[in-house]
Amino acid sequence: SQKIEQNSEALNIQEGKTATLTCNYTNYSPAYLQWYRQDPGRGPVFLLLIRENEKEKRKERLKVTFDTTLKQSLFHITASQPADSATYLCALEGNNRLAFGKGNQVVVIP
Amino acid sequence: EAQVTQNPRYLITVTGKKLTVTCSQNMNHEYMSWYRQDPGLGLRQIYYSMNVEVTDKGDVPEGYKVSRKEKRNFPLILESPSPNQTSLYFCASSFGVHSPLHFGNGTRLTVT
Repeated sequence: SQKIEQNSEALNIQEGKTATLTCNYTNYSPAYLQWYRQDPGRGPVFLLLIRENEKEKRKERLKVTFDTTLKQSLFHITASQPADSATYLCALEGNNRLAFGKGNQVVVIP
Repeated sequence: EAQVTQNPRYLITVTGKKLTVTCSQNMNHEYMSWYRQDPGLGLRQIYYSMNVEVTDKGDVPEGYKVSRKEKRNFPLILESPSPNQTSLYFCASSFGVHSPLHFGNGTRLTVT
C-alpha cells in the first residue's frame, strides 16, 4: 500500500540552528513533491514544490531536496526562528489525488 | 484577495440531522477537494473534483456527498451525520492536481 512517513516526534531546536525534517514514501512514483506549513487550527499553507528532476529547491531560509532513488525528501529550515514553530507536511500526488504525510511538528526554542 | 472560503467555521449538530458545509474559491481554480483532519491520522481526502460536474472519491468518502455545479463552489454534504464524522474539515483548490493547493480556514464539526 502507499505510505508517506514523517517523524511523529516533535523536533525541538534552538533558535538560529537548522531544522531538518524527513519525508519517506513507498509505492509512489511522484513527478513532484510538495511541502506545507500548518499552524494549530488553521489550513495548511503551501511552501515549496520540487520536481523529480530537481535535486534541490530553495526559498529564502527553506531548502528542500528530493531523492527518488531513496524515495525521500529532506526539508531544511536554516537560521530557525520561534515564528517557524509549526507542523510541516509533505504531500505527494498519485492517481489524481494529493496525499499528505501526518506532519512533523517543529518547536523553535528562543 | 485570493481565497478559499468555508462556512461555517464551527458547527455542532446531532446525529442524523443533514448538514452542508459550503466552500467557495475566487481564483478560477479547476481542481477542488475536501479533506478531514483527525489527531494521529493526519489529512485524509474525502472527495475531489477535477472540474465542473466531475467528482470522484478520495480515501474516506463514506457518509459524504459533494456536488460541483459551478466552478467556484464545492459543497460537502453529510446526509445523516454520525459521531465518527466529528472532525476538522478543510476545503482546498488549485489550478490542477499538479499545482499547489490553497486551503480554507477549516470547519470544526462536532456531531453528538
